[in-house]
Amino acid sequence: EIEMTQSPATLSVSPGERATLSCWASQSVSTNLAWYQQKPGQAPRLLIHGASTRATGVPARFRGSGSGTDFTLTISSLQSEDFAIYYCQQYSHWLTFGGGTKVEIK
Amino acid sequence: QVQLLESGGGLVKPGGSLRLSCVASGFTFSDYHMSWIRQAPGKGLEWVSFVSDDNTYTKYADNVKGRFTISRDDAKKSVHLQMNSLRGDDTAVYYCARTLGLWADYWGPGILVTVSS
Repeated sequence: EIEMTQSPATLSVSPGERATLSCWASQSVSTNLAWYQQKPGQAPRLLIHGASTRATGVPARFRGSGSGTDFTLTISSLQSEDFAIYYCQQYSHWLTFGGGTKVEIK
Repeated sequence: QVQLLESGGGLVKPGGSLRLSCVASGFTFSDYHMSWIRQAPGKGLEWVSFVSDDNTYTKYADNVKGRFTISRDDAKKSVHLQMNSLRGDDTAVYYCARTLGLWADYWGPGILVTVSS
């Protein structure tokens, strides 16, 4: 099973600042990687698939990058609605999620 | 618009059974794979089960294999998860998700399953 590791576990950022979230795979997943956002009490929402393709309706401030084992989700200028938990998920070999990064207000 | 709605959750004793259902609307159900994904209280996400769009392929997480069965009914635009021999670590919110490629592009609101004596 491919293990997904996300870092940091918690990221404290001020509104308007950039947030950079990392996700590593225990072996190469090519670009078979998705990112999700989850707010308290809500279901997750797809942000990115194919490592860098934004899902329908996702603002351009969300940018995914990377391939192989190293991936990054960058939120260029944090808005109040962006404070949430973010999960990466690989779909190269079955389907596994990372443990999540909580983005909180600094 | 795409909508998914789960039902069938609740409190069940260890060793018991429960059947979750998810009804879909707003898209051509038979064109999509479907999945169940769960989230234990305060924890991360875990993919539980997957069924292909043509119902020829199913897959399960190792920790539910042999206990859970996924099925779909395209006529009723629904997907089900039969859960047997339930254990305490099956306690979670269970999400139904439309699966495009192998990522979940739309999710239901989730349904809570609690396994406790």
